[in-house]
Amino acid sequence: DIAITQSPSSVAVSVGETVTLSCKSSQSLLYSENNKDYLGWYQQKPGQTPKPLIYWATNRHTGVPDRFTGSGSGTDFTLIISSVQAEDLADYYCEQYFVYPFTFGSGTKLEIK
Amino acid sequence: EVQLVESGGGLVQPGRSLKLSCAASGFTFSNYYMAWVRQAPKKGLEWVATISTSGSRTYYPDSVKGRFTISRDNAKSSLYLQMNSLKSEDTATYYCARQDYGGYSGYWGQGVMVTVSS
Repeated sequence: DIAITQSPSSVAVSVGETVTLSCKSSQSLLYSENNKDYLGWYQQKPGQTPKPLIYWATNRHTGVPDRFTGSGSGTDFTLIISSVQAEDLADYYCEQYFVYPFTFGSGTKLEIK
Repeated sequence: EVQLVESGGGLVQPGRSLKLSCAASGFTFSNYYMAWVRQAPKKGLEWVATISTSGSRTYYPDSVKGRFTISRDNAKSSLYLQMNSLKSEDTATYYCARQDYGGYSGYWGQGVMVTVSS
C-alpha cells in the first residue's frame, strides 16, 4: 500500500499569513500516460463534511478560492494557503488515488492564532 | 446541483449486519464511479470501497475486504454498502462520494453514523 505522510500535524498562524502544508507519498503518484499526479486535498471544518479542494495535485475544485494552491509532483506535494482567513480553521487531508487501496494522510490541523 | 444523501445508519451489535444507502441526484449517476469513505470519531479519513460505473468492478482495503460489499442500482441512482460481521472498529461516520478525475472524491454526502457496540 502507498503510505501518505502529512506534516506538520498541526500549525497555528495569524490571519493574513501564508502557511505551507506538506504531503509525501511512499511512491510516485505521477501517471506517465497523461502526466498527471493522482493526489488530492480536502478541507474539513469542525463538525462538517470534508470539502474537496485540489485534484491532480494542482487543480482547484469548483468554487475554491485562489488563495489555495496545490503544487508538487511525484512524491512530494504541498498545499499553500495564502492570506489565511479565520474561516480556514480546519483539518486538511491529502489522498492518493493513483492505485488501490486509496490512502489518506493523517491530516494537518490548521489553527488560527 | 449534485446531491448525495446517505441513510441506514444506526446502532448495531458486534457481529451483526447493516446496509447503508446513498441516493444520488443532480447528475447522470451511471456515468460515475462511486465510493464510500469513513471517519471514526476524532480520527482521520479512510477509503472503504469503490465501484465502477456498471458495478462489474469493486475495490476494497484489506480492513473491510470479505465483510463489506459495495453495490449500485443505476436505474434508481442509488449506491449501497452491505456491512457484515461488524466490529467495534467499524464505528464511524460513513460518507458516500462521487469519484471524479480518475478517483478523486469530488462530491460528498452529509454522512451517516454507524455505531457498533453491545
